[in-house]
Amino acid sequence: SQELEQSPQSLIVQEGKNLTINCTSSKTLYGLYWYKQKYGEGLIFLMMLQKGGEEKSHEKITAKLDEKKQQSSLHITASQPSHAGIYLCGADITGTYKYIFGTGTRLKVLA
Amino acid sequence: DVKVTQSSRYLVKRTGEKVFLECVQDMDHENMFWYRQDPGLGLRLIYFSYDVKMKEKGDIPEGYSVSREKKERFSLILESASTNQTSMYLCASSGGRPWDEQYFGPGTRLTVT
Repeated sequence: SQELEQSPQSLIVQEGKNLTINCTSSKTLYGLYWYKQKYGEGLIFLMMLQKGGEEKSHEKITAKLDEKKQQSSLHITASQPSHAGIYLCGADITGTYKYIFGTGTRLKVLA
Repeated sequence: DVKVTQSSRYLVKRTGEKVFLECVQDMDHENMFWYRQDPGLGLRLIYFSYDVKMKEKGDIPEGYSVSREKKERFSLILESASTNQTSMYLCASSGGRPWDEQYFGPGTRLTVT
C-alpha cells in the first residue's frame, strides 16, 4: 500500500476554475514537498512545508499542512492551461534524507 | 539558478549491456539521489549519496550500483541491463540538512530491449 496517498488521481477542469489536490500520510511528516512534473520531464520544486498549520503561496498556488502534520492540500486559484501537468507530493517521514512520494495527480486544464 | 543535468534524455540498450547514467549538479550539494519512476508506482529511491565516495541503498537497489568520485557527479550503473529496468530515471540533489528540498534533473527514459 502507498504510504503517501494522493487524491484525486486525475482532474480535468475548465480554465478559470479553482481546484484542490490532497496528500495524506498515516505517519507524521517531518517535511512535505510539492512538485510539478510536465509529461516525460523532471520534477520542478514548488513548495516545502514543515510546521503544523503552515501555509505557503506562490503565484496562484497555495499549499497547506494540517496541524497534525499528516495531510497537505494544494489549491490552485483561477486555473490556466499552464497549470497542466502532474503534481506530486513528497514527504520525509523518517527525519532522514529519504523521501517517499505519492503517485501523482494528473491535471488537465481546458481552455 | 539551481541546475541538475543528466547525460541523456533518451537511451535504448540491449539486454545484458552495461549502462551508465550520469548526473551532474552545480549547487555544491552534499546529497545526491537516484530514483526510478514507473506508472502506478510513483518514484522509488534506488540509491543515495551523502558525501563523496559515500552511498546508501534505497528501497530498490537490486541490479544497480552507483559511483560518486566527485561531489558534483553521481553515476548510476546497471551492471547487466534487463527489460524490467526499462523506466524513467531521475537524479536529484539536496543540501546538507535532512529537510532540504531536493532538486531534480530532466530525467532519462531508458528502454532495454
